[in-house]
Amino acid sequence: NAGVTQTPKFRVLKTGQSMTLLCAQDMNHEYMYWYRQDPGMGLRLIHYSVGEGTTAKGEVPDGYNVSRLKKQNFLLGLESAAPSQTSVYFCASSLASNTGELFFGEGSRLTVL
Amino acid sequence: GENVEQHPSTLSVQEGDSAVIKCTYSDSASNYFPWYKQELGKGPQLIIDIRSNVGEKKDQRIAVTLNKTAKHFSLHITETQPEDSAVYFCAASSNTGNQFYFGTGTSLTVIP
Repeated sequence: NAGVTQTPKFRVLKTGQSMTLLCAQDMNHEYMYWYRQDPGMGLRLIHYSVGEGTTAKGEVPDGYNVSRLKKQNFLLGLESAAPSQTSVYFCASSLASNTGELFFGEGSRLTVL
Repeated sequence: GENVEQHPSTLSVQEGDSAVIKCTYSDSASNYFPWYKQELGKGPQLIIDIRSNVGEKKDQRIAVTLNKTAKHFSLHITETQPEDSAVYFCAASSNTGNQFYFGTGTSLTVIP
């Protein structure tokens, strides 16, 4: 039982490049989230999904897209990376609602030059 | 949306002393308040949570208190140990929304 797995763990991009972060969970959770963590700013929600085939915007969605084609996977895409997207990205999942425990992955550190 | 403020941003205590971290929230509809601990290089992990129908909850050396009228909640760690050193985040959410709102974190250092 791996929990929440994020790939890749580290990535360096040049401005304008694109990439996709993959999140996979093996707990059959309905809810999945993508957060970014920046110094002094805590965890800010980018996008989330309440079930397979659904996505919704969080606090800071601009410059990102997401897809939830399979219940266990939640993909975060950057179409044209910018230095402001340099951050640590965390995926999380929860069983059924937003008033239960969040299970986080170990994070993906992205640097945009 | 909800606004969660957390204080202090850094906290140093001597081993064996107590540590208190405080959070306030703005949305009266919030009814679930978890606390997460993040160790270096890891994702946050839930350590304790409280729901709005309860004023206090304890789990060994950790306790959380909630004051719904004042819209604040606090994490109390007693008999601190070096392994308590980490970043702690408070959060708030409601079952009418779909989001958790996190505080900005408190970096706790326990000095042996």
